[in-house]
Amino acid sequence: DSGVTQTPKHLITATGQRVTLRCSPRSGDLSVYWYQQSLDQGLQFLIHYYNGEERAKGNILERFSAQQFPDLHSELNLSSLELGDSALYFCASSVALTGSTEAFFGQGTRLTVV
Amino acid sequence: AQSVTQLDSQVPVFEEAPVELRCNYSSSVSVYLFWYVQYPNQGLQLLLKYLSGSTLVKSINGFEAEFNKSQTSFHLRKPSVHISDTAEYFCAVRPVNSGNTPLVFGKGTRLSVIA
Repeated sequence: DSGVTQTPKHLITATGQRVTLRCSPRSGDLSVYWYQQSLDQGLQFLIHYYNGEERAKGNILERFSAQQFPDLHSELNLSSLELGDSALYFCASSVALTGSTEAFFGQGTRLTVV
Repeated sequence: AQSVTQLDSQVPVFEEAPVELRCNYSSSVSVYLFWYVQYPNQGLQLLLKYLSGSTLVKSINGFEAEFNKSQTSFHLRKPSVHISDTAEYFCAVRPVNSGNTPLVFGKGTRLSVIA
């Protein structure tokens, strides 16, 4: 158990809908990262928050947004869903910003868009 | 920017045989190097990492990786694999003075251990 909790574990929804994925980082971790894992693209970095502030953006679509709340949990919002958004979405947390710090991953949310 | 290439997408190997999973990276700055493992239906777990010092790093379950700066490689090896090693393995890098830079992953290598 990494200590990072993601809910829900599975989500099936229709095209055009909006969903929210939730991540609770390990106790004391200030950094939260979101990644998308698909068969063709591998693990793609989406966005990084540190102590409530957005710190870096990767290949995140405009239809996607995220935030980190004062209690440090984070939510990833996906809207106007398309079939191609079906993927495994991971959240990872780490205690600091330094490059050597280990990132701990949750078990992911598997999103299926039908 | 950094990039990671894992040359083999799938590696089948018989139980108790040795295995090497290859990883090459590209970066204009010094990097830290990581191997993560993903077992079926689970998240990624850190297997081992190279930060500095000895270029050979080892994990608790018999894997080892060697950092080769001249060849920009960080290959993962195990002298004798077990069925339980069946998983997907990801190589990742992160700049030494990164601050905000996230881990950059390779596309992964699926290791299948055959009985």
